[in-house]
Amino acid sequence: EDQVTQSPEALRLQEGESSSLNCSYTVSGLRGLFWYRQDPGKGPEFLFTLYSAGEEKEKERLKATLTKKESFLHITAPKPEDSATYLCAASFTYGQNFVFGPGTRLSVLP
Amino acid sequence: DTAVSQTPKYLVTQMGNDKSIKCEQNLGHDTMYWYKQDSKKFLKIMFSYNNKELIINETVPNRFSPKSPDKAHLNLHINSLELGDSAVYFCASSRGQPNIQYFGAGTRLSVL
Repeated sequence: EDQVTQSPEALRLQEGESSSLNCSYTVSGLRGLFWYRQDPGKGPEFLFTLYSAGEEKEKERLKATLTKKESFLHITAPKPEDSATYLCAASFTYGQNFVFGPGTRLSVLP
Repeated sequence: DTAVSQTPKYLVTQMGNDKSIKCEQNLGHDTMYWYKQDSKKFLKIMFSYNNKELIINETVPNRFSPKSPDKAHLNLHINSLELGDSAVYFCASSRGQPNIQYFGAGTRLSVL
C-alpha cells in the first residue's frame, strides 16, 4: 500500500536554529512530491512540488529536496512566523491519487 | 477574491440530521476534491471530480454524497450524521490531476 510518513511529529526550534523535516514514502510509481504549510484554522497552503530524485526547490528560508525514498524540507534561520504544521503529500501513478503524511508541527520560539 | 471558498465555516448539528457543505472555486480548475481531516490532523481524500465526473471515491460511507452541478462547484451532502463524522472537511481544486491542489479554509463539523 502506498504510504507517506513524516518525522519528527513535532519540532521546537529557537529563532535562527536551522533544522530539517523528513518525509518518507513507499510508492508504486511516484509522480510528484508536494509540500504544504498549514496554519491553525486554515487550509493547507502550497509550497513546493518535486518530480524527480535530485531536484531541489527554494523559497525564502525553505528548501525542499527529493531522493528516491524521501524528501527533506530544510529550514534555515527560522523565524517565529515559520511556526505551522508542514505536510507532505505524494501522488502516484497507480492506486490512490494523492496521499498526505501526518505532518510535522513546527514551533519557532523567539 | 477567495480562490476556493467553502460554506459554512462552522456547522454544529445533532446526530441523525442531514447537512450540506458547499464549495466553489474561481480558479478555472477542472478537478475538485473533498478531504476529511480528523482530530489527529490526518488529511484523507474522500472524493475527486474531474469535469463534473467522479474519478475517485475512497472508502467512505454511502451517507456521504458529492454533487457537482458544474466545474466550479462541488458540494458535499451528508445523511444521518453520526458522532464519528465530526471533523474538518476541506475542499480543494487543481488543474488536471494529480497536480498542485489549492484548498479552502475548511468547514468544522461538530455532531452532538
